[in-house]
Formats: sequence, structure tokens, C-alpha cells
Amino acid sequence: QQQVKQSPQSLIVQKGGIPIINCAYENTAFDYFPWYQQFPGKGPALLIAIRPDVSEKKEGRFTISFNKSAKQFSLHIMDSQPGDSATYFCAAYAGGTSYGKLTFGQGTILTVHP
Amino acid sequence: ETGVTQTPRHLVMGMTNKKSLKCEQHLGHNAMYWYKQSAKKPLELMFVYNFKEQTENNSVPSRFSPECPNSSHLFLHLHTLQPEDSALYLCATRHPGNTIYFGEGSWLTVV
Repeated sequence: QQQVKQSPQSLIVQKGGIPIINCAYENTAFDYFPWYQQFPGKGPALLIAIRPDVSEKKEGRFTISFNKSAKQFSLHIMDSQPGDSATYFCAAYAGGTSYGKLTFGQGTILTVHP
Repeated sequence: ETGVTQTPRHLVMGMTNKKSLKCEQHLGHNAMYWYKQSAKKPLELMFVYNFKEQTENNSVPSRFSPECPNSSHLFLHLHTLQPEDSALYLCATRHPGNTIYFGEGSWLTVV
């Protein structure tokens, strides 16, 4: 029940395309859903996050769509650039007494061709 | 620069060695974590510390031993590791607003 399932495992788009990465979860106690971006040789860095009381959040070219009833959320990258090539992880967090445990998806390797 | 510093960045050790990974944070956060990142696997939570107390051990083998002497430092002591323990070990801290900040990781190779 703690799993977060992420797809696809890898994604290749042309510059300007709109890659979409999807995640699904089971645990209804999750109440915070961040996305992390990781470049080779670096630790994951927070990209954008959403709480289940909103259905969409946009920051720059990055948008999270959230469907609470389906227990799914997705990341859209508008006007993708080669510099966006990285591994993206979705995650889910259950607060309360779980002391901030993040459960991560498997990751998606995104390649944006020039 | 996330405010979470890990040393060493790279470590090669034999299976009979004892070594330690160090994490230092300057963010004033009270929760600190060790995660393991292996190829083709999700990030795996290993240990959680809150206010210097260990609050979670995620079924980690005893050859990994964490230590949190104060709220700014977290160590991961390693001994008699196996080649399958080779991975990127990430330290992280949590802001009260739930944002988790990662260090750049320590690449461990066990030979």
C-alpha cells in the first residue's frame, strides 16, 4: 500500500515537445506529492509539489495534474528543452506520525533531443 | 547548493573494511534521513532521525549503522559490506513544510 507506481521508465521527445510522466498510488493517507529532478552525479532536487486539495499546479513550464478520485497524478513539461534531460521521480508523503517518509516512484529517464 | 553536504563523494572499500559516510546540514531542520539509490530501483528509505532520535529503521542490515550526534550531523557507519551494497547513498533533511532536501550523495563501491 506504500507503493507509488511511475510510468514510463524512459521517454524521448524532441525539443518543444510535451513529455508527460504518470504516477499512481494506493495509500489514501498520502497528502503531499512532490516531483524531483535528478541530473547525473547530483542528488534529487525538488521541482514542484501539490497537495490533494487542488487539481492542478503550474510553475513555469512544469505542471502537475492531480486526480484524487483516481489516485493518480502526472507531470507535464511544456516546451521541453535539452536541458530538461534528467531523471524525474514522483513521490508521495504521508504526514502525521510517519515523520515525513517519502515514498518514491521508480523514476523516468527523460531525453529531450535538440 | 542545497545546504546538505555529504562526504566523501566517492568511496571504494573492501568487504572487510570499516568506513563512514558523513552528512552535514546548515538548514536547522530537525528530521534527517538516509536513502539508498541503486540502478533501476526506486529510492529506498533506510533510516529516519527526528530531533536526533532514530524513529525508523527500514529493515536495514546491521552492517549499516547510523549515528546522529547532533541536529546538524548524520553518519552512516559501514562494515563488512557486500558488493550488492554498492550504490549512491543520499542524505536528506526535511523542512517543517514537508519539503525534503537532498545532498549530492556518496557513491559507494564495494569490491
